[in-house]
Order: sequence, then structure tokens, then C-alpha cells
Amino acid sequence: GAVVSQHPSRVICKSGTSVKIECRSLDFQATTMFWYRQFPKKSLMLMATSNEGSKATYEQGVEKDKFLINHASLTLSTLTVTSAHPEDSSFYICSAPEGRGRSGEAFFGQGTRLTVV
Amino acid sequence: AQSVTQLGSHVSVSEGALVLLRCNYSSSVPPYLFWYVQYPNQGLQLLLKYTTGATLVKGINGFEAEFKKSETSFHLTKPSAHMSDAAEYFCAVSGGRYGKLTFGQGTILTVHP
Repeated sequence: GAVVSQHPSRVICKSGTSVKIECRSLDFQATTMFWYRQFPKKSLMLMATSNEGSKATYEQGVEKDKFLINHASLTLSTLTVTSAHPEDSSFYICSAPEGRGRSGEAFFGQGTRLTVV
Repeated sequence: AQSVTQLGSHVSVSEGALVLLRCNYSSSVPPYLFWYVQYPNQGLQLLLKYTTGATLVKGINGFEAEFKKSETSFHLTKPSAHMSDAAEYFCAVSGGRYGKLTFGQGTILTVHP
């Protein structure tokens, strides 16, 4: 199956700093990628849809200026958590749809555990 | 719009017993349905999916699920639980072809020796 690689898998940063998370489709092109956030003992909540070559589409309640998304190529999307605070600590997961999107299936990265201290 | 409800946030079974994880969905369009498994601090692994065709879907590790449109359900089963099945399971629905998923709340499966 298709492979999506997410990096880093774990990051600890100081409050007020910014953190960048990368999501790469390794063996296919992805014009669209999705970013989810998972709170402890909670489900995955869609944060935004990343669109190659255009602006990301954010879900209601997600701060665009805090969670910057860039989809600069057909294989790479990045999520930057700006001016991170302890409440931003969470598990972030990206996904990319199956090649032509016919099945609605998405392939997931390994996730990034962000801890803000 | 789509939504998913997983009945039971925790399910506990004995090794060798039947596993049944419940999922009900709502969708304004014909749904694509998925079950994913997640181990601690890891991403999601697809167990199985329903798109069209046969309503009984077989997946990896002996799991299967049946799409019942009349009941708007997609319950996950496995005849005999293994210790290695202990994990969190998510049911998800996609209302279109673009891989945008709506997830249920998740069910943590515990398997006792």
C-alpha cells in the first residue's frame, strides 16, 4: 500500500517557540492531505485540508494563524504550530487520500507527539 | 454531513472469545466505511473498508465487518481474540472520494488471558 511518512515522531519544545511537522507521500502524489489532532483518550478531529499550490481549508474553530499549513509540492505538506503553548500539546496525524481518491481511503502517517513545556 | 458513533468506549474480552465492536453512522450520501486500529503513540492502520459491492468485508488479522444499510451499522467482529488485538479501534466514514474521514470516538479493546 501507499506510504505516508511523518516527521518528527516526537518533539518537545518550549512555550513560545514554533514547531514544524512534515508529512510526505513517499510513493505517490498527493494534491490533498489532511491534518488531524488527537487529544488524550479522544478521537481524531480534522483540523484542516492541505491543498497543493493553494491555501489550506481550515475546520471551524481552528486558528489559521496558529496552525500554518503549507503544501508546496505534490509529496509534501507541513504543519507549523506557531508560538506553541502547553495546550497545544497533542498527537498530530496527517493523511493523504488513495491515489485517485476513488475509494475514499486515506493513508496515515505515524503521527507526531508534541509536548510543549 | 457524516457522523459516527461507536457504542462503548471500552470493551474487555477474554483471549479466545468473540470480539464485537459496534459502529453506527449517518451520512447524507452513500458512505464509504472504515475500521482502523491504533497502538499507543502510533498512527492508524487500516483493518478493512467497505466501498461498494459485498456487504461482508474481510480484513487483516482475522477481522471482518458487515455493512447493514437498514441499520446504518458497520460492526467489527473477530471470532477469537488474541492478546495482540489489544489496542484502540476507530470506525470512520467518508462521504466522498477524497479521503476526508469522520471518526468515531474510538473503542479501547482489552484482552484478558
